[in-house]
Amino acid sequence: KNEVEQSPQNLTAQEGEFITINCSYSVGISALHWLQQHPGGGIVSLFMLSSGKKKHGRLIATINIQEKHSSLHITASHPRDSAVYICAVRSMWNTGNQFYFGTGTSLTVIP
Amino acid sequence: DTAVSQTPKYLVTQMGNDKSIKCEQNLGHDTMYWYKQDSKKFLKIMFSYNNKELIINETVPNRFSPKSPDKAHLNLHINSLELGDSAVYFCASSQDTRRANYGYTFGSGTRLTVV
Repeated sequence: KNEVEQSPQNLTAQEGEFITINCSYSVGISALHWLQQHPGGGIVSLFMLSSGKKKHGRLIATINIQEKHSSLHITASHPRDSAVYICAVRSMWNTGNQFYFGTGTSLTVIP
Repeated sequence: DTAVSQTPKYLVTQMGNDKSIKCEQNLGHDTMYWYKQDSKKFLKIMFSYNNKELIINETVPNRFSPKSPDKAHLNLHINSLELGDSAVYFCASSQDTRRANYGYTFGSGTRLTVV
C-alpha cells in the first residue's frame, strides 16, 4: 500500500467549475508538497505546507494534520489547468529530505 | 535562467548500450535527487546526494550509477540498458536536508526510450 493516496485518479471538469483534489497519507509528516505536471512532462512546485492553508491565485491548498489529509482546490477552472497534480509528503522520521509521492490526479478541463 | 537543467531531454537508444543523463542546478542547493517516473506516472526515488555524498540509494539495479562531481551536478550513468529502463527520469534539488520545510525544484525530465 502506498504511503500517499490521491483521489480521484482522473477528473474531467467544465471550464469555470470548482475543483477539489484530495490527498491522504499514512505516515507522520513534517511537510506536504503539491506539484503540477503538464503534458510534455515538466514538474512545477505549487505549494509546500506543514499546517493550515495557502493560497496562490486560483489555487488553494489546505492540510489537516490530525486527519492526515490535504486538499488542493482550483477555483474558476480553466483549460490551462489541465495537468497531473501530485501530492508528496516528507515523513517526520526521514532525515534525507525524501518525499513519498502519490500516483497523481489527472485533471482535464473542457472549454 | 534554468534552475535545474537536465540533458538530454529525449534519449532513444538500443538495448545493451551505456548512456548518461546530466543534471545541473544553479540554486545553491545542497541536495540533489534522481527520480524515475514509470508509465503510470508514479515518481520513485532512486538516489539522493547531499554535498556530493550519497545519502539515499534505493533498490535499483547496480547498472545505475550516480556521480556527483560537485554539489551543483548529479549525473546518472546507466550501463547495459534494458527495455524496462524506458521511463522519464527527473532530477531535482532542495536546500539543506536539515531544514524541514524546503521543497523540491525539478528539472524538466529526460524521456529515455530503450528499443
